[in-house]
Amino acid sequence: GAGVSQSPRYKVAKRGQDVALRCDPISGHVSLFWYQQALGQGPEFLTYFQNEAQLDKSGLPSDRFFAERPEGSVSTLKIQRTQQEDSAVYLCASSLGVTALSGYTFGSGTRLTVV
Amino acid sequence: KNEVEQSPQNLTAQEGEFITINCSYSVGISALHWLQQHPGGGIVSLFMLSSGKKKHGRLIATINIQEKHSSLHITASHPRDSAVYICAVSFNDMRFGAGTRLTVKP
Repeated sequence: GAGVSQSPRYKVAKRGQDVALRCDPISGHVSLFWYQQALGQGPEFLTYFQNEAQLDKSGLPSDRFFAERPEGSVSTLKIQRTQQEDSAVYLCASSLGVTALSGYTFGSGTRLTVV
Repeated sequence: KNEVEQSPQNLTAQEGEFITINCSYSVGISALHWLQQHPGGGIVSLFMLSSGKKKHGRLIATINIQEKHSSLHITASHPRDSAVYICAVSFNDMRFGAGTRLTVKP
């Protein structure tokens, strides 16, 4: 596609509910990143994929967070048993290469509100 | 301590003013990025720098690798420049500053 597409754009979940957030990167982009952005803060790194391999998941805040990219294209970030502190914008970015020098393209994000 | 520090946190300017936003970082990087985020919108990449200076229209970005410091300048600011400007550094992944919220008043 022309850009990085994220869905849904907005999600309201009841506390304890499981949610799945989707990221469709630019076709052919090797690297995919997930970030969490709390209100008024800069994005915080969650996890990084190179093709289908999850190379870094050090930013995932708890074992309730799980991400996958099984075929090296679309990625899903799953949050189990959502808590109010999970409310944030979840941003996805993709990059053509495996180094920073190929640049990043960001999606518009999914705004998750846990009530 | 955050790996990427931005200042100021908030900035209000009058239309036409020259604006500077600063970024300092404490880690080794392969590139530094300046990003723009409008309310409710996604993030747009403005610049990616590994050395020197880049200019695009009224925007200028500089980086001093030795001092681990970068600045984003906006000349002849306009209300449409109002947004959050985020500095980020990358090596294998990208780490972000907290952002500078710029409001330009007409």
